Parts: sequence; C-alpha cells; structure tokens
Amino acid sequence: QLQLQESGPGLVKPSETLSLTCSVSGGSFSSSSYCWGWIRQPPGKGLEWIGNIYYTGSTDYNPSLKSRVTISVDTSRKQFSLNLSSVTAADTAVYYCARDSSSGWYDAFDIWGQGTMVTVSS
Amino acid sequence: DIQMTQSPSSLSASVGDRVTITCRASQTISRYLNWYQQKPGKAPKVLIYSASSLQSGVPSRFSGSGSGTDFTLTISSLQPEDFATYYCQQSYRTARTFGQGTKLEIK
Repeated sequence: QLQLQESGPGLVKPSETLSLTCSVSGGSFSSSSYCWGWIRQPPGKGLEWIGNIYYTGSTDYNPSLKSRVTISVDTSRKQFSLNLSSVTAADTAVYYCARDSSSGWYDAFDIWGQGTMVTVSS
Repeated sequence: DIQMTQSPSSLSASVGDRVTITCRASQTISRYLNWYQQKPGKAPKVLIYSASSLQSGVPSRFSGSGSGTDFTLTISSLQPEDFATYYCQQSYRTARTFGQGTKLEIK
C-alpha cells in the first residue's frame, strides 16, 4: 500500500525559506503514469495547489507562487521536496504531499499524506 | 489559469436528504473534473474522477455529472458520515486548481 509522509520544521520565521520533504513508501515512485504534488490549506480555508513534479524532474507550478517555489525530486530516496522562499504569515498552512495519477481519463490526486502544519512566526 | 467556482459555499441538510453541489470552470475542461471529500483534520479523499466515475470503494449514493464548464456532485441520501467539506478540482491543465469548497452541515 503506497504511503506518503511529510516531514520538516513546524515553525519558520518570516522572510526565511520553508522546506518540506515527502517520503514515498510501499510502491513505485518512478512512473510516467503519475507525478507528485504539494497542496496547502491555510487554517479554516480551502485547498491551494502549489506544484507538481515528475520523477524526471519536470515541474509545474501555481502561477501565483511560482516566483517563490522550487520542487525537487530524489528518485534514489523516493522523496520529493518543497522549498518556499520569503515566507510570510500568509504561508501558514497545513502542507500536504500527494500523488497525482494520470491514466486515460483518470487524472486525480489519489493518495495523500497526512499533512503537516507549518506556522510562519517570529 | 482556470478558475473553479463552487456553489453553495455552505449547505445545511438532514440525514436522508438529496443534495447537489455545483462547480463551474472559467473555461472548458472537457470531463477533467474531480470531486474530493475532506473531514476535519484529515486529508482530502477522491470521490469522483473524470466528472462522473466513482472512485473504487466510494458508496454509490455519490454521483457526478457534467462536462465542459458545468458540473454537479449529488449525494442521493445523506448519511451521518457525509457531513464534510467537498471540493472540485480540474485536471485539464497541468496547473491544477481547486474550487473554494462547500461545507455540508447537519440541519
């Protein structure tokens, strides 16, 4: 059973860089049938897609965050990572990693991590 | 990017009711529309993919319809465990977007 687990600091200071890693276990990581994504949810608010990465390293980013976001992949460790620079209080959120599966008409975030809360505060 | 607009933002209903949630895309997305359910403190779970296909393991009281720009999620007979927040999401473009969510509450 494929599982995803987010890890990283729960507290980040304003203007610094938020760094999270998602570790994938129990299944395949390198396939053209899916990519790996980051989604966040500020407290009491909705879901915001941050970006996706393929095992090849190809990325897609949310245009509103693109200038501050870098997503990278380490296939040998079955991990992918999120860096979000110059954070402010508005970046406080639960950050989820998820698998974005694509096969024919199926194209959805079908497996999610449990999420990790990141607070931006001095 | 494609904007997704859900209505209503919140909805009160009773066990056994039939409820419908609407999602509209700012441009055509064919049938690349997914629905998710999220309960408090939990990650979202996909219910419907490709506008109308039921994800494995999801009860048949959930159904989806639509294509192009207008989509609906219907729960035929609400159960206590269905009170949650529902999101639509387009996968037509590689830049994914979610609707703002619909909170389904007990009347």
